[in-house]
Amino acid sequence: GAGVSQSPSNKVTEKGKDVELRCDPISGHTALYWYRQSLGQGLEFLIYFQGNSAPDKSGLPSDRFSAERTGGSVSTLTIQRTQQEDSAVYLCASKTSGTPTGQFFGPGTRLTVL
Amino acid sequence: RKEVEQDPGPFNVPEGATVAFNCTYSNSASQSFFWYRQDCRKEPKLLMSVYSSGNEDGRFTAQLNRASQYISLLIRDSKLSDSATYLCVVAPSPWEYGNKLVFGAGTILRVKS
Repeated sequence: GAGVSQSPSNKVTEKGKDVELRCDPISGHTALYWYRQSLGQGLEFLIYFQGNSAPDKSGLPSDRFSAERTGGSVSTLTIQRTQQEDSAVYLCASKTSGTPTGQFFGPGTRLTVL
Repeated sequence: RKEVEQDPGPFNVPEGATVAFNCTYSNSASQSFFWYRQDCRKEPKLLMSVYSSGNEDGRFTAQLNRASQYISLLIRDSKLSDSATYLCVVAPSPWEYGNKLVFGAGTILRVKS
């Protein structure tokens, strides 16, 4: 497809389990971002990948969170030992490099930790 | 102080009204500015970029005041479909080559018939 895609769209898990969330950015977009949004709240930056540069992990809330981007395209966000406060919508966005355009967001993964 | 601040609203306006939102940012070195809209339980979507000279896209006008560090969005002739949360977004450094955006918490607009 032409847009950013994310999977799964919904994930329900039990406290303490690990989860993996996937993002497929727009083809050719070198920059990829992960955010999360809790109910009624603004977007919280998590991590950013730009080409082959080291990712900016400054927004990751704890060491239970990690992300990787393989081949400069698909990205996976992993949350280990999930907690109830991890429940949120996790949004992925991508953009081209070299132009001051905005980011394009995927539909998000709604994570519920019971 | 938050990096990007917006009045959360809600702004309740009748159809056809003109409504304006303001947003302030704290980093004077910020380079690029955007307005996004977010519908309930949907992802944010880029509405428009904000240029120093001001810019217009149909019923929407965005303006930037660097001296006062605020951005505005004006919506004329409001439609029911304009009901959404409007996010003010700032790039704190040259944006062309990436770096993270800073999102405001959003302003809720409700347009009623």
